[in-house]
This record gives sequence, C-alpha cells and structure tokens, in this order.
Amino acid sequence: SSDLTQDPAVSVALGQTVEITCQGASLSSFYASWYQQKPGQAPLLIIYNKNNRPSGIPDRFSGSSSGITSSLTITGIQAGDEADYYCSSRDTSGFHVLFGGGTKVTVL
Amino acid sequence: QVQLQESGPGQVKPSETLSLTCSVSGGSITSAGNNWNWIRQRPGKGLEWIGYIYDSGKTYYNPSLKSRVIIAVDTSKNQFSLKLKSVTAADTAIYYCARELMQPSYRMDHWGQGTLVTVSS
Repeated sequence: SSDLTQDPAVSVALGQTVEITCQGASLSSFYASWYQQKPGQAPLLIIYNKNNRPSGIPDRFSGSSSGITSSLTITGIQAGDEADYYCSSRDTSGFHVLFGGGTKVTVL
Repeated sequence: QVQLQESGPGQVKPSETLSLTCSVSGGSITSAGNNWNWIRQRPGKGLEWIGYIYDSGKTYYNPSLKSRVIIAVDTSKNQFSLKLKSVTAADTAIYYCARELMQPSYRMDHWGQGTLVTVSS
C-alpha cells in the first residue's frame, strides 16, 4: 500500500487534549514516526517506535498504535504546539518511505 | 550531534537538471544503520519523499520520481547528493536532506534546514 491518511485539520482549545490519527495498511507492520513542522522550519521528530520521544520533546506528546491506525496525542496543548503534524512509515514492501498528508493543528 | 546542510542553486531552468548536495557533520555518512534521505515540500503542500541512499551506494526512490532521480554519495567529503532531471515548475519546492535511523524503528532524527529551489526561466 502507498498511502497514509491524516485528517487535514483540527482545532483544539488551549490546555485541552487532541488526538491526531494516521491510517494505512503498512502500519500493521511498521511503527509510525511523527513530525512537527512550524512555519518556515524543518520538520522535527517528536515520536517514534510507537511511543518514544527524542530527548527534549515534552511528555505532553505521546503516541499509540492499533492495527492500521497510529495516533499522536497532545495533552494539555500549548499555543506553541500550533503546527503541522506529519506521520511517516514504510510502505508494505518496507523499502519506500511514506508520509501522511499532514494535519494542521490550530490552538484556540 | 549530527548536522546536515543542503547546498545548491536556488533557481533551475525548465528541462534542466536540479543538483543539490547535503553535507553531513558530526558523524560519518558510512555509519551502519543509517539511511540518507531527500524529501521535498512544494509551496503550501505536504512532505514528499524522494529517495534514500545507504550502505555507501545502494538506493531506493519514490516510484513517481524514479525515472528522473539519482542519489549518490561522496564518502571522501561526507556528502550525498540529489540530481533531478528534466525539471518543470512542479518541481519548485523546499528540498530537505535527512538522516534516517532504522533501529528500533524507522525515523528521521536529523534534518537539514532545507533549501528552496525554484524552477523558472
């Protein structure tokens, strides 16, 4: 399969919790990684290996996975978390990289 | 701390070849377990994977770009490069290079800042 599907946009009130999902057949075989991209910046890795955070990423970011769906949850969202979020994984062959279409998170 | 830096012309004419280089510092491009990727982002759009090189020369490419792409490595300079042939306006994008680790799962943990390439006569 060659697709990872994300909702294009989501809005969430300051301090609340938001879940961003990513669906694709290959996610039953490969964990998703998640990237945050703010305007004018390169993507930043925030979650990998289901629910691992690189050093320096706040613990309000968490990940989960079930079947063909991976999720990124931001708990107690802050204004600075407003960004585009992308999931990524491999296709079912394992050789090619896939990116989801991205989810724009707006903090109200 | 690994750092990546893209370099190359900011403008390319239609039908010509786009050529970019990614310089890697703080780590060796020959280190095992690393894939060296090119990704692009058209204006206002999402991330699009172009391809990667590993094992000092093996490559995989996005099937939609495969006929026009060559990724190569120069281990003596700790660099890898991208060539995209026969460009059109649709190839106008920010081009990123990134290191991908494979264990315990795939992820791109270090990215360059990106370089904007405009295809225009």
